Amino acid sequence: DIQMTQSPSTLSASVGDRVTITCRASQSISSWLAWYQQKPGKAPKLLIYKVSTLESGVPSRFSGSGSGTEFTLTITSLQPDDFATYYCKQYSSYSQYTFGQGTKLEIK
Amino acid sequence: QVQLVQSGAEVKKPGASVKVSCKASGYTFSGYYMHWVRQAPGQGLEWMGRINPNTGDTNYAQRFQGRVTMTRDTSITSAYMELSRLRSDDTAVYYCARVGTTFNAFDIWGQGTMVTVSS
Repeated sequence: DIQMTQSPSTLSASVGDRVTITCRASQSISSWLAWYQQKPGKAPKLLIYKVSTLESGVPSRFSGSGSGTEFTLTITSLQPDDFATYYCKQYSSYSQYTFGQGTKLEIK
Repeated sequence: QVQLVQSGAEVKKPGASVKVSCKASGYTFSGYYMHWVRQAPGQGLEWMGRINPNTGDTNYAQRFQGRVTMTRDTSITSAYMELSRLRSDDTAVYYCARVGTTFNAFDIWGQGTMVTVSS
């Protein structure tokens, strides 16, 4: 099975900061990488799919990049609403999906 | 609008089974894969499997093989996830989620169903 490792597990930042979250796959996953945001007590929300495509309605301060085994989610100019937990997720050709363990973005 | 509405919270005893439903509306149910994801209290997201609502074909995560069954009823645009031989560590929120035209990403999620396993 493909494992996804996110770093850091926790990130403290301030409003207006630029932050980057990294997701590493145990083997190449082509472009089947997505990012989700989850707030306490709520279902996850899709932010980015196919590595870098922004889901409709998601602010442009969110961006994704990467290839092969290393991927990043960047949030520029953090807003109060962005403090949440973020997950990457991969899809493999064996019809299996794996989430990263999550990165909690906290207010400094 | 496109939405997924799940059944209510459940409390089960160890060894029992639970069946969670997910009612889809606002789109062509048979046209999009439905997935199930769970989240134990304070933990991350875990993919359980998926069903093709058109054919009924399923793929399950290896760790749930033999214990999970995903089905659908196209006449009422609903998907179901049944988990058997429940253990205390199956206590979690269970979500259904749709893959839209988003390259295997889940664009619509249900509100979640809390399943508590306790003696």
